[in-house]
Parts: sequence; structure tokens; C-alpha cells
Amino acid sequence: AAGVIQSPRHLIKEKRETATLKCYPIPRHDTVYWYQQGPGQDPQFLISFYEKMQSDKGSIPDRFSAQQFSDYHSELNMSSLELGDSALYFCASSCIPGQGLGCTEAFFGQGTRLTVV
Amino acid sequence: DAKTTQPPSMDCAEGRAANLPCNHSTISGNEYVYWYRQIHSQGPQYIIHGLKNNETNEMASLIITEDRKSSTLILPHATLRDTAVYYCIVRVRGSARQLTFGSGTQLTVLP
Repeated sequence: AAGVIQSPRHLIKEKRETATLKCYPIPRHDTVYWYQQGPGQDPQFLISFYEKMQSDKGSIPDRFSAQQFSDYHSELNMSSLELGDSALYFCASSCIPGQGLGCTEAFFGQGTRLTVV
Repeated sequence: DAKTTQPPSMDCAEGRAANLPCNHSTISGNEYVYWYRQIHSQGPQYIIHGLKNNETNEMASLIITEDRKSSTLILPHATLRDTAVYYCIVRVRGSARQLTFGSGTQLTVLP
């Protein structure tokens, strides 16, 4: 079965650079979530989108922005990178009940490991 | 979303059942109990969810107390590959709201 695809899997950037992470949800999933997981920490929610509109917002820094496109893929844009932004970034997708089996659970991608040097 | 409390760590012998408890005393009537696990640095993996009835799938069983204030995830025959952090999350079913991860339980399956 198709899963959530994230790219790139690994990314190295220098301080003050920008980075763009991409997430391709499971087909027919219309909701995307972004999470940040620092070393030794639990995943922290950043932001989510439903039907291309922002639906929920967590501890996302102002330097970060995200959007969901018409094909439901999402991009997380990170500017003025800091050393503390080094983390695993996970994307998850789900859909609203009524659209078939598995719609109530969120499924996660394998993440993008961002290293800021 | 309701807060959950889990023990920080547990050990289990390979081949034995692993029983992971979760307290969610402030759960509301429309919130489900979800379990996810995260094997080192991989994406969190969905395991099971339930509202008030016990649930079973190919991975695990979920036992929810009658008052819904606590639940137990059961891995019937733990293997070394089940070593992971297990997260209990309560959430309104089907909402686009976030999954809020707490501290989870580090389960170590011992040979």
C-alpha cells in the first residue's frame, strides 16, 4: 500500500540558509500534519492542513511557513535556519471519515533529518 | 485533547505478553484512545484505536476500562522488533486536529 512520502530524507544546511521539505500524502488523504522531533524528544506538532487550508497550528516558529497544494502535497519552508532547527521532521496524513477504511488514523512518513551546521 | 500518563519505561521478555498501561482520566465522551509506536528515529506507526469496547487487530489488543479513564495495550507475543517508544493519545475521531504526543513508554523487549 502507498505510504506517506517525504523528501529529501536527509538535508544539511548552514545557518541562515533556507530549506524546503516536501510531503506527499497517501492517495485520497486530504489532511496533512507536520511534526518536529529534536534529539531525545517526543514529536512536537507544528501545523496541519485540511483541504488546502490551515486547520491547526502548534509551536511553529515565525521563520517557518507551510502550505498544502491542489494535489494535496505539502511543503514546509524554513528560513534563517538556526542550529536548534536540527531535528527530524515528520509529515503525517489522514482523511475525514466517510471516505473509506483507514480514514480516522494518521499515517506518518519516514521523516526528513535536517542538520544545520 | 485529554492528557495521558504512561510509565516512562518497561521491560518484557521475548515471547511474553507486553502490557502497556495508560491513564486518561479527563477523556471526554467523543475522544478515542489511539496507540502509536516509534522505533528508533523512524516515523511513528499507528497500532490501534478504540472508543469504549475492547479492540484487537493483527498487531495488538486494546483494553479500555468501563469508565474509560484508563486503557492497556497488549502485545501478545513480544519480539525484539517490538522494542520502541509507545505513545497513548486521546483524540476526537476523524478530526483534523493534531495528534499530541506525550512522553510515551520505552518498551524494551529482552532476549
